[in-house]
Amino acid sequence: EVVLTQSPGTLSLSPGDRVTLSCRASQRIISNYLAWFQQKPGQSPTLLIYGASTRAIDISHRFIGSGSGTDFTLTISRLEPEDFAVYYCQQYGTFPITFGQGTRLDIK
Amino acid sequence: QITLEESGPSLVKPTQTLTLTCAFSGFSLTTTGVGVAWIRQPPGKALEWLALFSSDGSRHFNPSLETRITVSEGSSSNQVVFSLTHMDSEDSATYYCAHRIPFLFVLDVWGRGATVTVSS
Repeated sequence: EVVLTQSPGTLSLSPGDRVTLSCRASQRIISNYLAWFQQKPGQSPTLLIYGASTRAIDISHRFIGSGSGTDFTLTISRLEPEDFAVYYCQQYGTFPITFGQGTRLDIK
Repeated sequence: QITLEESGPSLVKPTQTLTLTCAFSGFSLTTTGVGVAWIRQPPGKALEWLALFSSDGSRHFNPSLETRITVSEGSSSNQVVFSLTHMDSEDSATYYCAHRIPFLFVLDVWGRGATVTVSS
């Protein structure tokens, strides 16, 4: 199975900051089938990015996905208060579908 | 607009079978390439994919749980039913169903989740 390792585990930042989250795969992800989700406390995950760089419907342009092969990143260009949440990467190129362990963004 | 909603017991006893229903609207399982996935999340932990039921009748399961999982279409055409046998405390989690974008394994819309606790 493809193991996804996200880093860092936790980040403390301020609104207006730019942040880059990392997701590294244990093997090449087929067709760059990598997605990013945002999850706020008590809520279900929200799809942000799929295909490594395609924004989902109604997702702000502040969210930018990039990468290929085994290394992927999610950049949030200017943090808004509503962006403080947990972010998960997920690969869907190979069964079983797997998720990373998450990166938590906290307000400094 | 696509919506999904999970329903089922909030408490099950060890060794029992958990059965959850995902009722959905805004899409049909008669549409080629569509699917419904199940994912769970133990309290404070990461997401874990469990199963995928697709409109062509194919099913995919997490190998770590494959022998315990059943997924099928419900009694109504807009339902998918998930079962997990031999429940124990490690299976306590919030269980989600999600819509699969046709022909991709992208999960674009999720239900609110059903919280299940395993306890005697």
